[in-house]
Amino acid sequence: DGGITQSPKYLFRKEGQNVTLSCEQNLNHDAMYWYRQDPGQGLRLIYYSQIVNDFQKGDIAEGYSVSREKKESFPLTVTSAQKNPTAFYLCASNGRGTADTQYFGPGTRLTVL
Amino acid sequence: GIQVEQSPPDLILQEGANSTLRCNFSDSVNNLQWFHQNPWGQLINLFYIPSGTKQNGRLSATTVATERYSLLYISSSQTTDSGVYFCAVGIAGTYKYIFGTGTRLKVLA
Repeated sequence: DGGITQSPKYLFRKEGQNVTLSCEQNLNHDAMYWYRQDPGQGLRLIYYSQIVNDFQKGDIAEGYSVSREKKESFPLTVTSAQKNPTAFYLCASNGRGTADTQYFGPGTRLTVL
Repeated sequence: GIQVEQSPPDLILQEGANSTLRCNFSDSVNNLQWFHQNPWGQLINLFYIPSGTKQNGRLSATTVATERYSLLYISSSQTTDSGVYFCAVGIAGTYKYIFGTGTRLKVLA
């Protein structure tokens, strides 16, 4: 079945550690996105990529990094520079930017201990 | 930047009731989507509706782009409709979406 997978579902991290969240899609979509959601809040854009080997900062990129080496994959690294990383992280993709429906993965819940 | 506001922020209904959720946006957009976030956090597409009216079962949506708002109608609500409803607008000429703050719906049996 076509879709977006994220792993792991739950992730626990000690302060000072970098962690990488995985996002894979088999929808043949060009554009991929990472969002952060805090409890009771909406979604905020971290990074997005329109095409392989290209990505742009969203509204809250500080303390995060991404890569886009393959069309199917858009991993997110939460670095130790991110001051408050505990949150729910959602990956999304679509085929033609904002002229298309956006689809979401199931999310990763990151907790910093 | 574009502001996206949703109302009401919270809504409690008895099963079988109807409701209307509203999404206002502050500038022209080229896309508007409605999503339902279930209790496990998964976001499900409901409608891609930059303008006009669409219906899908008990749900329907209307976007009036010239007046910068969209409405989501839920009829004969069921407990499985509970969750958070988000609208998201696409910014013309970019690949960026802006999400509203959501409407939290609880349907009581």
